[in-house]
Amino acid sequence: GAVVSQHPSWVICKSGTSVKIECRSLDFQATTMFWYRQFPKQSLMLMATSNEGSKATYEQGVEKDKFLINHASLTLSTLTVTSAHPEDSSFYICSARQAGARGNTIYFGEGSWLTVV
Amino acid sequence: GQQLNQSPQSMFIQEGEDVSMNCTSSSIFNTWLWYKQDPGEGPVLLIALYKAGELTSNGRLTAQFGITRKDSFLNISASIPSDVGIYFCAGQSPGNQFYFGTGTSLTVIP
Repeated sequence: GAVVSQHPSWVICKSGTSVKIECRSLDFQATTMFWYRQFPKQSLMLMATSNEGSKATYEQGVEKDKFLINHASLTLSTLTVTSAHPEDSSFYICSARQAGARGNTIYFGEGSWLTVV
Repeated sequence: GQQLNQSPQSMFIQEGEDVSMNCTSSSIFNTWLWYKQDPGEGPVLLIALYKAGELTSNGRLTAQFGITRKDSFLNISASIPSDVGIYFCAGQSPGNQFYFGTGTSLTVIP
């Protein structure tokens, strides 16, 4: 199947600093990518939909100024957690939508663990 | 975003037993996708379904797109310890929105 890669896999940062997580579709072009947050033993929580060349669409309750999303190319979306605080520590996952002959499929990245100390 | 009704929420089974889980929606979908997520990793696509009534297998896994287009099920036959994990369904609406199930946590007892 298609491959979506996230980087870094894990990151530790100091409170107040910003952290950038990259999501790349390695073998297909993705006009739409998605960013999720997942707490232990819980389902994926959609944060925002990233659209290539336009502004991201954020889910209700997600601060767009804190979680900056940029989708500058068809293969790369980035999530920047600005002024990170310990409560932002979480597992962040991206996914990319691939358009196929039969329909759309979503492929997920490996996830990125963020720890804010 | 909206979440699909997925059941059961968790399952504890003996190795070798078959497993069945399903997702239901109040509205129709054009696509159903099933994923497995291991702890600390991203979900991995297991099976994709694009047509009502479609039945697709992937090894010991079989999934079906419900004829009403409002449900889908996933079966795992002869479970083994490595089947342990969380299984998610996802459905795409006619408006191209994707919605996810709440997940089924599977534990296989050797």
